[in-house]
Amino acid sequence: DAGVIQSPRHEVTEMGQEVTLRCKPISGHDYLFWYRQTMMRGLELLIYFNNNVPIDDSGMPEDRFSAKMPNASFSTLKIQPSEPRDSAVYFCASSLVGEQYFGPGTRLTVT
Amino acid sequence: GQQLNQSPQSMFIQEGEDVSMNCTSSSIFNTWLWYKQDPGEGPVLLIALYKAGELTSNGRLTAQFGITRKDSFLNISASIPSDVGIYFCAVTTGTASKLTFGTGTRLQVTL
Repeated sequence: DAGVIQSPRHEVTEMGQEVTLRCKPISGHDYLFWYRQTMMRGLELLIYFNNNVPIDDSGMPEDRFSAKMPNASFSTLKIQPSEPRDSAVYFCASSLVGEQYFGPGTRLTVT
Repeated sequence: GQQLNQSPQSMFIQEGEDVSMNCTSSSIFNTWLWYKQDPGEGPVLLIALYKAGELTSNGRLTAQFGITRKDSFLNISASIPSDVGIYFCAVTTGTASKLTFGTGTRLQVTL
């Protein structure tokens, strides 16, 4: 299996622009998670899905953030409009039960 | 929310030395996981522990799930340069697949 795939690996955008991050989970996994990692706050869970349904989005920082999972093999995290404080590494992870497997991350820089 | 206290925050050791790090909490958990993150990559699962008192090895790595279910430790024997990275403990909270991560231990290995 190729593991969790994320794209793009790096994204640089200007404040106010829309940003879309993409994730393909490991085939057969029914949980998908979006995390954000910064030096100040460490790894934070933003939202997670089970069988394509959002279960807990309490970690989503603001209404500017939204996530979708239209099918079992694809998810997006969108930030609109983006702000400099959104600069971070965003990870997607998938699992069956308990053991989560992470993608390589998307490093987002908002100028 | 739950807090996992990892110590030490960082370690500088010489190649060949053994390493020990731990993770503690004021709450009881049923699963403890240890992840390693290399620079520019996502966390990779090293060891999963499911039973209080369980001692599990993975090559030069050994981890234990504390009897009280409030702590865990990770040992690395005969460290090598590729052990460099950040080590995170994590626990499952709420539903089986939602993880809470510790603050991480940054390991540097000198030749």
